[in-house]
Amino acid sequence: AQKITQTQPGMFVQEKEAVTLDCTYDTSDQSYGLFWYKQPSSGEMIFLIYQGSYDEQNATEGRYSLNFQKARKSANLVISASQLGDSAMYFCAMREFEGGSNYKLTFGKGTLLTVNP
Amino acid sequence: EAQVTQNPRYLITVTGKKLTVTCSQNMNHEYMSWYRQDPGLGLRQIYYSMNVEVTDKGDVPEGYKVSRKEKRNFPLILESPSPNQTSLYFCASSPAEARGEQYFGPGTRLTVT
Repeated sequence: AQKITQTQPGMFVQEKEAVTLDCTYDTSDQSYGLFWYKQPSSGEMIFLIYQGSYDEQNATEGRYSLNFQKARKSANLVISASQLGDSAMYFCAMREFEGGSNYKLTFGKGTLLTVNP
Repeated sequence: EAQVTQNPRYLITVTGKKLTVTCSQNMNHEYMSWYRQDPGLGLRQIYYSMNVEVTDKGDVPEGYKVSRKEKRNFPLILESPSPNQTSLYFCASSPAEARGEQYFGPGTRLTVT
């Protein structure tokens, strides 16, 4: 079974509107972290936001917020007021803290977001 | 500037010709890792290292070697590259005590013909 599922291969949004990118995860660990990374066409991986499994409040970083629903095992990324520069591939990732010394991030397959003017 | 660097950024080579992709970080991070990215598969871990002289396999280690002789460097070695190793490779690092956020290098696009 996939540990990270991103069901939207592609999404379109109008400039200045909000968009939600879906992510569900699967783990039996009680302690884990969820991450979102952005990969523009230039290829680099840019960290956006982090949510710990014990964090009671949803994480926010500027225009990015993470809608964390622990019981449903979902960690959706919300981008408010979309900008043309938000067009990129977005990856959801998880680190399971009980997995020993490997800080491995398990990634989903990504969602390609296109912002239309 | 805190960063992870990789060299080369682009490489085209032929089957069987040994190559090394270098990775260096200037943040004094204990943890370093290599990932490969393939279309439709996301990123998958190749090898990781918790500290100097401590390395271990990730999910897709076949055909790769690594070494960690110094804390800042973590080269990826392909002894006999094959076309199925054509991919985009990322090196990443993280401090040991952190929540796990990893800092990625700019990527190396490798083509094996």
